[in-house]
Amino acid sequence: QKEVEQDPGPLSVPEGAIVSLNCTYSNSAFQYFMWYRQYSRKGPELLMYTYSSGNKEDGRFTAQVDKSSKYISLFIRDSQPSDSATYLCAMSAFDNQGGKLIFGQGTELSVKP
Amino acid sequence: EAEVAQSPRYKITEKSQAVAFWCDPISGHATLYWYRQILGQGPELLVQFQDESVVDDSQLPKDRFSAERLKGVDSTLKIQPAELGDSAMYLCASSLSREAFFGQGTRLTVV
Repeated sequence: QKEVEQDPGPLSVPEGAIVSLNCTYSNSAFQYFMWYRQYSRKGPELLMYTYSSGNKEDGRFTAQVDKSSKYISLFIRDSQPSDSATYLCAMSAFDNQGGKLIFGQGTELSVKP
Repeated sequence: EAEVAQSPRYKITEKSQAVAFWCDPISGHATLYWYRQILGQGPELLVQFQDESVVDDSQLPKDRFSAERLKGVDSTLKIQPAELGDSAMYLCASSLSREAFFGQGTRLTVV
């Protein structure tokens, strides 16, 4: 079983829809949670960064972390065709020497005009 | 805006040949990562540097892969000899604290 599980999709929604992307994880030591957006043939771009449990909002994006359920979500409001990309969740325990990010498989999102 | 620079962007090489990738992290970022991303999968860590020291290379195939960050700034990842299964995107990332910022990657095709 992978440490981080993410439904690969593909997920197709109409423009303006609310999108919900999710990841589950098994390592209770994870404390730092990130969402990256990756366009085809490009490197991942950091979208959201959250520490521990709770919500964080940035424009049309909201990240939620529920450590008790080992479940994280990214919501995209008023989705746009330009949001079409692969969304990767990533998480880390981090220690004194830093820590590697463990990524999910990525969810491919397509927003149709 | 500061970025992680990687070169080359694309590389095609024959199996059994040597290949090298270069990364210049964001200025001041002490932590540097090399990740490999196979098409349709998430990135997986190959090696992590803190300044010039290797912190984690547990997933680096050391019989054919090597990485260095001699002066604690830019870094080189080498594969020798390349195998067909090495075809992937090689991503470099750097970090000052917790958030990691990625470069555009090098897409390697081994033929």
